[in-house]
Amino acid sequence: AQKITQTQPGMFVQEKEAVTLDCTYDTSDPSYGLFWYKQPSSGEMIFLIYQGSYDQQNATEGRYSLNFQKARKSANLVISASQLGDSAMYFCAMRDHTGGFKTIFGAGTRLFVKA
Amino acid sequence: GAVVSQHPSRVICKSGTSVKIECRSLDFQATTMFWYRQFPKKSLMLMATSNEGSKATYEQGVEKDKFLINHASLTLSTLTVTSAHPEDSSFYICSATPAGVTSYNSPLHFGNGTRLTVT
Repeated sequence: AQKITQTQPGMFVQEKEAVTLDCTYDTSDPSYGLFWYKQPSSGEMIFLIYQGSYDQQNATEGRYSLNFQKARKSANLVISASQLGDSAMYFCAMRDHTGGFKTIFGAGTRLFVKA
Repeated sequence: GAVVSQHPSRVICKSGTSVKIECRSLDFQATTMFWYRQFPKKSLMLMATSNEGSKATYEQGVEKDKFLINHASLTLSTLTVTSAHPEDSSFYICSATPAGVTSYNSPLHFGNGTRLTVT
């Protein structure tokens, strides 16, 4: 069965510093995708970064990178040089072949960036 | 590209009435759309998978007769909350992936969500 776990309800980071948001997952499907989304207070879901189960290298997108440790089933998001605008909810998500490629989400982590 | 439009963004209705929420893919066709519900400060819970030209697939615990889903075309899916009650108040958000690229490595493209308040 699919499962996504985010154990950090809230995180604080100083502006310009890096922060790591944790995510672990579970699936029996060897083919899966891991995603991170940002949800500001306005509610829209913004896609940040993707990591495929067969990817050999960690994904990077600008200030976002994904620390993918397949054996540990973890896919942590690293945000470098935090900005005040990074304050938001962050959701880890997984998609595999289950039920027509449906995507499930973790509980989320609220990130607060301090000036 | 891959823009999803959701309407209305906010709606307030009286208990017992029905509310329709539209989800449109503006620049791509989507054979499958997904409807999620989000309670305050909580995660997104998948309600149903909307399939163009066929019946929606509902997640366990979601009332089919209360949350009617219609996917009449490749660019439009609708969610109708029937006989709404205050406990139906929530944030509803739809998502889609372009037809032909639905796979485990395709990210979902989300609408901006609808905040429903039932009084």
